Amino acid sequence: DAKTTQPTSMDCAEGRAANLPCNHSTISGNEYVYWYRQIHSQGPQYIIHGLKNNETNEMASLIITEDRKSSTLILPHATLRDTAVYYCIVRVRGTASKLTFGTGTRLQVTL
Amino acid sequence: GAVVSQHPSRVICKSGTSVKIECRSLDFQATTMFWYRQFPKQSLMLMATSNEGSKATYEQGVEKDKFLINHASLTLSTLTVTSAHPEDSSFYICSAGPGARETQYFGPGTRLLVL
Repeated sequence: DAKTTQPTSMDCAEGRAANLPCNHSTISGNEYVYWYRQIHSQGPQYIIHGLKNNETNEMASLIITEDRKSSTLILPHATLRDTAVYYCIVRVRGTASKLTFGTGTRLQVTL
Repeated sequence: GAVVSQHPSRVICKSGTSVKIECRSLDFQATTMFWYRQFPKQSLMLMATSNEGSKATYEQGVEKDKFLINHASLTLSTLTVTSAHPEDSSFYICSAGPGARETQYFGPGTRLLVL
């Protein structure tokens, strides 16, 4: 799986948009970009994934650059409950395809 | 949908005993499940891939005789930590994915403390 690079930590004011970047310059054509988050002492929570088109769901938006070498996860209105470690992972399709976790970005949402 | 559960959520045991952790997919079937371990302030590390009806595949450096995995059915995988020692104390997490969607969903984790 391709390696990803994320900032170690970020701060965001509550109510503002949180934009979390991820670089995956060695991504292959058959690899998807997945985002998970882990709130302290819990299992990771799936957020969103995409191949090349921008994606949006009830939790977040995923913007993937045209060359697919980077992406941004957007939480449109961050709340204190969004404080977590966010992981960007690239992975080929298939239920037997494992997820390789990097160090992620620790997002702190403040009042 | 796509709910994964783990039992127990927390376990304390004495050194030398064995501990079994269950991972269940509640609303879907999973031929493959994954087991991870997470030490404090570290990221998740994949331990092994659990395959229904066949042997598990272990990552490099993970002792297969110490961490026994049994994928007995399409909804249940178990991880048994044999002869546990204090250094095995960790947060153990499983994941599974519904075949059609292929996204992996994680259990809530099991915190193991070996005294």
